[in-house]
Amino acid sequence: EAQVTQNPRYLITVTGKKLTVTCSQNMNHEYMSWYRQDPGLGLRQIYYSMNVEVTDKGDVPEGYKVSRKEKRNFPLILESPSPNQTSLYFCASSLDRGPYEQYFGPGTRLTVT
Amino acid sequence: EDQVTQSPEALRLQEGESSSLNCSYTVSGLRGLFWYRQDPGKGPEFLFTLYSAGEEKEKERLKATLTKKESFLHITAPKPEDSATYLCAVHHAGNNRKLIWGLGTSLAVNP
Repeated sequence: EAQVTQNPRYLITVTGKKLTVTCSQNMNHEYMSWYRQDPGLGLRQIYYSMNVEVTDKGDVPEGYKVSRKEKRNFPLILESPSPNQTSLYFCASSLDRGPYEQYFGPGTRLTVT
Repeated sequence: EDQVTQSPEALRLQEGESSSLNCSYTVSGLRGLFWYRQDPGKGPEFLFTLYSAGEEKEKERLKATLTKKESFLHITAPKPEDSATYLCAVHHAGNNRKLIWGLGTSLAVNP
């Protein structure tokens, strides 16, 4: 089944404790992206990647890191999480090297206390 | 300023009561307008892409249309399972690597 998977789905952590949210797609898609979704603010892009080893900042990259060492994986790293990073996070991918028809993962609900 | 505005923010319909959702945009050089559906706590699901004014796309009870300034998502004879948030996003020439997202319209269809 074609899909985007994220892990974990739910995470409660404390301020400053490094964490990684994994994202994997099995569709051989070129473009991958991370979003956060907050009430009243909608979907905001954190980082995106057009291809392996090619990443770039989205609208809200501060406090986040990403890497794209393999085509299928695009992990999101929070080196020192803070409470303002409490949010619902989505990974997405699309076939072409651009944000066209995107397939979204199921989401990761992160709480930082 | 490039922006996407969706209206209304929320809409409540009776089953069978047709209506339309609006997505207005101000961007330079539209390359594509996308509609997504999002169920609570889940990731958005792609519905349609529209590329040029006058274009229309249909899927079951949904029909999306596009003009030079806005797009409409028409819902004909909705059912309770059509209840969701509908998101609009725009891809434009000013930045071809990411989208501008609207805040969505939350639709509730009562049986």
